[in-house]
Amino acid sequence: AQTVTQSQPEMSVQEAETVTLSCTYDTSESDYYLFWYKQPPSRQMILVIRQEAYKQQNATENRFSVNFQKAAKSFSLKISDSQLGDAAMYFCAYRSGLEGSGAGSYQLTFGKGTKLSVIP
Amino acid sequence: DVKVTQSSRYLVKRTGEKVFLECVQDMDHENMFWYRQDPGLGLRLIYFSYDVKMKEKGDIPEGYSVSREKKERFSLILESASTNQTSMYLCASGIQVTYNSPLHFGNGTRLTVT
Repeated sequence: AQTVTQSQPEMSVQEAETVTLSCTYDTSESDYYLFWYKQPPSRQMILVIRQEAYKQQNATENRFSVNFQKAAKSFSLKISDSQLGDAAMYFCAYRSGLEGSGAGSYQLTFGKGTKLSVIP
Repeated sequence: DVKVTQSSRYLVKRTGEKVFLECVQDMDHENMFWYRQDPGLGLRLIYFSYDVKMKEKGDIPEGYSVSREKKERFSLILESASTNQTSMYLCASGIQVTYNSPLHFGNGTRLTVT
């Protein structure tokens, strides 16, 4: 079974600064997908960014980017120019990419989350 | 925009009651999921469904059951609520076609069992 580890339960960053949230995962598969979700106080889980394991290029979405190190099984999230609205719980998630492995492969396995605070 | 609606934002029930948590999505998604979120434990999958009347157990199905009579609706049932089922419950849906498609979540139901 795959596991996802977020080693930082809480982090803080000054407004306008850059912060990196860590995520590592354990899998024996070579094809898979990784996601970062944000959960603000409103509780709505929002997709921040996604990465396909077969792609070497790191995904970016505006101020959000990832550092995907497949050999190290690491998938960190970098937030640049942090804003007050970035304060939230951030969850790293893994999905198997095995074709034909059944509907269960569509599920996401989540880490325990990192609570990010943004200091004005 | 995809909308996933959970019928209750907050719910308080007594031990032993039968509890229904309802979830409706408006995007004709095949897959629907129920997760439980607890502090320090992240999200854990309870049950999921990949089609009408189809269901599979997730990682922590004990004490729960589900129902999917219509494609848009996925219900989580606590047959006899217990205090250790006090938690945040999140429903999600997603399309089946591509693996990189994200899940879309509802706003969650915070259930307290007294």
